[in-house]
Amino acid sequence: GESVGLHLPTLSVQEGDNSIINCAYSNSASDYFIWYKQESGKGPQFIIDIRSNMDKRQGQRVTVLLNKTVKHLSLQIAATQPGDSAVYFCAERVTGIAGGTSYGKLTFGQGTILTVHP
Amino acid sequence: DADVTQTPRNRITKTGKRIMLECSQTKGHDRMYWYRQDPGLGLRLIYYSFDVKDINKGEISDGYSVSRQAQAKFSLSLESAIPNQTALYFCATSDPGRGGYTFGSGTRLTVV
Repeated sequence: GESVGLHLPTLSVQEGDNSIINCAYSNSASDYFIWYKQESGKGPQFIIDIRSNMDKRQGQRVTVLLNKTVKHLSLQIAATQPGDSAVYFCAERVTGIAGGTSYGKLTFGQGTILTVHP
Repeated sequence: DADVTQTPRNRITKTGKRIMLECSQTKGHDRMYWYRQDPGLGLRLIYYSFDVKDINKGEISDGYSVSRQAQAKFSLSLESAIPNQTALYFCATSDPGRGGYTFGSGTRLTVV
């Protein structure tokens, strides 16, 4: 899961295994969540998102689970491949109201390093 | 071409120098953001803009300024760079109809 500090959580798996990356989010008012993947030297890339009125959403080889009761988000990657090695981080959106316009900014977690061994 | 382009990709500058990081996007999005990423830390918001007339400070705006020259362009300036501004800087855009951001490839800035 996420943690505060200079050392990111790490997860090492063998190629072909399933991976589960966890995230504890902070704000019970958050209504939208996203998982991003960041490879070395690149910007974060969108993987999958989920709205707060859902508890599960599936994509290609990825599934996001949302447990609002304990404010927990997880990303499951099936049949993990070496190309999945990257830093994964979650983001939550807190919708705020300013000047009559609804604004929503993302707040990002620190990330988890996933290493997939051939 | 990339949807969000940042220039330069890498920059080394001296303490006290003024430096500008540029960002341009072809997504047609009104909303643009500048983030800073440090080793072991998440993305921290520096400034954001929801349209060309809108500029807002993020959580770590001290020492930075921005300019939204057009819908497609959002630049970040360090008026007098200091070593603890050494970091990876990301620009992003978003569509208010969808919450996800599209990020640029980042600018690695080193202040010596």
